[in-house]
Amino acid sequence: QSALTQPASVSGSPGQSITISCAGTSSDVGGYNFVSWYQQNPGKAPKLIIYDVTQRPSGVSDRFSGSKSGDTASLTISGLQAEDEADYYCSSHRNSRNLGVFGTGTKVTVL
Amino acid sequence: EVQLLESGGGLVQPGGSLRLSCVASGLTFSTNAMGWVRQAPGKGLEWVSSISDSGGRTYYEDSVKGRFTISRDSSKNTLSLQMSSLRAADTAVYYCVKAHCGATSCSRVDYWGQGTLVTVSS
Repeated sequence: QSALTQPASVSGSPGQSITISCAGTSSDVGGYNFVSWYQQNPGKAPKLIIYDVTQRPSGVSDRFSGSKSGDTASLTISGLQAEDEADYYCSSHRNSRNLGVFGTGTKVTVL
Repeated sequence: EVQLLESGGGLVQPGGSLRLSCVASGLTFSTNAMGWVRQAPGKGLEWVSSISDSGGRTYYEDSVKGRFTISRDSSKNTLSLQMSSLRAADTAVYYCVKAHCGATSCSRVDYWGQGTLVTVSS
């Protein structure tokens, strides 16, 4: 499977906002509103933080927000905190596949 | 609170077999699609397989088709993954997941277990 493309790393200072991109094609990100984002802390299982491009599950901080433009989805973390340091993965439905595809993953560092 | 507890991981030789199990609680197991996602050491996430709420529809990643079989027992709230003809490339942490599926695909994971490590090596 060809993974969605994310930057390997993004960093920011506490209080700043950062944005992680997730580049796909019209067969996946661009063609459907089924983009999800996951946060994975070191040594832990991932956790769903955004689904259907913009929706937040109950209990997820409103500092996390999602958006999409064309074939690229984005996750924005505002008011960056030390606890946000983790790996982040996007995922999407892809046409002609029965299982979704994940992004390559982005390591977020809080300076 | 949804809890997914995997077991069955371990060290196995290339060509060998292993069966993973996952006991679910905190959700109505029989009405939820389930699946397995894996993560090789230091690598990203990869869907392995999913199964519909009734068990009537199963999906597999191409690399495991014909070698892995997913199944469920709703009387025991248990999801299983039978793995055979294992390869070094199958080495990974395997996560049991509650999947969100549409009519013909599963692309979202709502909940994850803590994972169980499968190591394929001689």
